[in-house]
Amino acid sequence: QKEVEQDPGPLSVPEGAIVSLNCTYSNSAFQYFMWYRQYSRKGPELLMYTYSSGNKEDGRFTAQVDKSSKYISLFIRDSQPSDSATYLCAMSAHSGAGSYQLTFGKGTKLSVIP
Amino acid sequence: DGGITQSPKYLFRKEGQNVTLSCEQNLNHDAMYWYRQDPGQGLRLIYYSQIVNDFQKGDIAEGYSVSREKKESFPLTVTSAQKNPTAFYLCASSRDRGNGYTFGSGTRLTVV
Repeated sequence: QKEVEQDPGPLSVPEGAIVSLNCTYSNSAFQYFMWYRQYSRKGPELLMYTYSSGNKEDGRFTAQVDKSSKYISLFIRDSQPSDSATYLCAMSAHSGAGSYQLTFGKGTKLSVIP
Repeated sequence: DGGITQSPKYLFRKEGQNVTLSCEQNLNHDAMYWYRQDPGQGLRLIYYSQIVNDFQKGDIAEGYSVSREKKESFPLTVTSAQKNPTAFYLCASSRDRGNGYTFGSGTRLTVV
């Protein structure tokens, strides 16, 4: 079983729809959870960051973490064509000092159709 | 503005040649990373460095080499031993595990 599973899509939605992107993971030591957005031929950019369980909202974006189910989600409300990108989940464990590695999902490609 | 600069953006290499990809950051981050991204494969870690003059192999280090002589710089050399080097290469840095990574804009390497 891979440490992080993410449906690669592609996911195609009409403009204005609510989008739900998800990742599951197997390592119960993961404590830090992130979502990155990557436009074509660009580097990923940090979109949302959450520590431990709970929700975090930033404008049209909401990140949820359910550690009991080992499941994280990113919701996009009122989706726009500019949201069309690949979304990668990432997470890291609370391990010893100096260990900063993130484990990434493979990414979900999202297209928002005008 | 602080950030990570990768150069060049596009690189073409003949088979059998070594090539070096540049990565410079002015974020004062301690840790730096190199990833390779291929379609359908996600990000795969090549090398990482948590401190100057020290670096560790990632999951796919064969055919690659790095150096970390300065905190700001972490160049990656793709050697002729790398069997399938055509890919999109991403450099990243981080201050600590809680803040995630900052990525560069990537270098697309094509072997011709």
